[in-house]
Amino acid sequence: DADVTQTPRNRITKTGKRIMLECSQTKGHDRMYWYRQDPGLGLRLIYYSFDVKDINKGEISDGYSVSRQAQAKFSLSLESAIPNQTALYFCATSASWVNTEAFFGQGTRLTVV
Amino acid sequence: QQQVKQSPQSLIVQKGGISIINCAYENTAFDYFPWYQQFPGKGPALLIAIRPDVSEKKEGRFTISFNKSAKQFSLHIMDSQPGDSATYFCAASEEGYSTLTFGKGTMLLVSP
Repeated sequence: DADVTQTPRNRITKTGKRIMLECSQTKGHDRMYWYRQDPGLGLRLIYYSFDVKDINKGEISDGYSVSRQAQAKFSLSLESAIPNQTALYFCATSASWVNTEAFFGQGTRLTVV
Repeated sequence: QQQVKQSPQSLIVQKGGISIINCAYENTAFDYFPWYQQFPGKGPALLIAIRPDVSEKKEGRFTISFNKSAKQFSLHIMDSQPGDSATYFCAASEEGYSTLTFGKGTMLLVSP
């Protein structure tokens, strides 16, 4: 089983719909992240959480919200999806000390039509 | 504001050749420089990382060269193999933080 699991793996949704992407991890890490990947733009940080009570905005948080339900679960919501949110979304985790390896999930390919 | 600039965007290398990917940064507070490898349909995975107290780190066929004064670091893949065909991302993070700032990525194709 994967250490970082994202659901769904693929999703097509309509403009204006609310959608939630979920992430769960079995690595026991406190820190979790949501990234967005677009061709030619690399990976950009949307939100991150250093523990259950901590939520921080990243580089591109507008139009997104997150919820840290437990140490192992971190979900990303698009309140009202728009076509330019079509992208590949990755959840990642890392240990609590600085400058450690980030472990990524398999990704969720989201298409907004 | 792009804090980590990566080049080239794409690269084709013949099997057995050397692949070189370069990154430059502006933030002098960066003190951790990893490289991630991503295969199609997969999430990125850590390949190799370096801290600024050394100028070079080698792991197998993969080497990071680091030039602190020039604020540049590069990944060298020796004896490149078709299985190395992937997207490579350089990244950096500041002391005291664990959020990574990524470059835009390089798509490497190693031709047989």
